[in-house]
Amino acid sequence: GAVVSQHPSRVICKSGTSVKIECRSLDFQATTMFWYRQFPKQSLMLMATSNEGSKATYEQGVEKDKFLINHASLTLSTLTVTSAHPEDSSFYICSARGRRALYGYTFGSGTRLTVV
Amino acid sequence: ILNVEQSPQSLHVQEGDSTNFTCSFPSSNFYALHWYRWETAKSPEALFVMTLNGDEKKKGRISATLNTKEGYSYLYIKGSQPEDSATYLCAHDNNNDMRFGAGTRLTVKP
Repeated sequence: GAVVSQHPSRVICKSGTSVKIECRSLDFQATTMFWYRQFPKQSLMLMATSNEGSKATYEQGVEKDKFLINHASLTLSTLTVTSAHPEDSSFYICSARGRRALYGYTFGSGTRLTVV
Repeated sequence: ILNVEQSPQSLHVQEGDSTNFTCSFPSSNFYALHWYRWETAKSPEALFVMTLNGDEKKKGRISATLNTKEGYSYLYIKGSQPEDSATYLCAHDNNNDMRFGAGTRLTVKP
């Protein structure tokens, strides 16, 4: 079945630094990638949607200059948290949709980011 | 209903018990309703994708129903086992993206 590999699974960084999270679709072409964030005991909140080769569409309240999304190829999308602050500490997870998948979304395993 | 709501937030049952939980979602812009099973440190695993009003799907001891007119879906687990312990997520799909509920955390005690 479809697999999305997400790295790193955990990262601790200092305030002010940037962190890049990668999601790779291993056996299908991810035409659309969705990035979610989850705070404790809350829903997975959609941050942005990106289509391969296009600029990402960000949800209201999500700063596009802070959360840089790149989806340059059909198998790789990255989320870079720039100038991270402790309030950016959260669980980030990607979900990919392929060209043929009418209803199918495949998730990565998530990244736990802690900013100290 | 503007958001996706799931209830209860958490549930503790004994092994062998049957259980069910609810997902409420906006009936507008409906394309599909997804149920996922999510274990800690793993990717959410797709259980069901439901599209038609009145749809009922089954996978082993787990089944789900869908009412798109009133905007709700039920997930049922028959004869719960400890390995069913996980968070169950539902998501409203409008064909552009998915919006999730906060999940129901199920714990099945041996």
